[in-house]
Amino acid sequence: DTGVSQDPRHKITKRGQNVTFRCDPISEHNRLYWYRQTLGQGPEFLTYFQNEAQLEKSRLLSDRFSAERPKGSFSTLEIQRTEQGDSAMYLCASSPRGETQYFGPGTRLLVL
Amino acid sequence: AQSVTQLGSHVSVSEGALVLLRCNYSSSVPPYLFWYVQYPNQGLQLLLKYTTGATLVKGINGFEAEFKKSETSFHLTKPSAHMSDAAEYFCAVRPEAGGYNKLIFGAGTRLAVHP
Repeated sequence: DTGVSQDPRHKITKRGQNVTFRCDPISEHNRLYWYRQTLGQGPEFLTYFQNEAQLEKSRLLSDRFSAERPKGSFSTLEIQRTEQGDSAMYLCASSPRGETQYFGPGTRLLVL
Repeated sequence: AQSVTQLGSHVSVSEGALVLLRCNYSSSVPPYLFWYVQYPNQGLQLLLKYTTGATLVKGINGFEAEFKKSETSFHLTKPSAHMSDAAEYFCAVRPEAGGYNKLIFGAGTRLAVHP
């Protein structure tokens, strides 16, 4: 069991650029979640996949955000036209049945 | 709407002292409750969870928490703090019904342990 992995761990970009993050869940976990954590706050839910289906999206997920999980395994989170307010830690978690979520190390995004 | 309140954004204790981190939740249905720990620049690690059954839950690293429905609380305790316990702690709630199992987190409590 290698745990949830995320890539990259850190990303610095300029305002207006597009960025994409990848999450590899624990194998055989069919549920995958994305959260965003800003400084001094707890994680906030962004979106949820069960297998390849995106079943829930938070209002935090503006039109500039899109997430995919094409084959029900890894997932990507893309942010288009980044803004300084997008600077945060983006956390991915996976779960076998939805009870306990196992988190990855996160991708820290800084938008200059 | 469900919410989680963690009283005290910063808690400081001496090594060997009791650790008490407070968590209160609001939920219209019996929730599942979790405590996670986050070390600097890392993701969240599950400390313990309450789903059903015994209300006193034991977790890793000597931590435990008690679910008190009448007080809507799920406070985290450890009898004797260790320097390695210094981290940020998050309480989270998952309503048993609906919500596709997303977690709702409190704002976190940063625990400092001094010699």
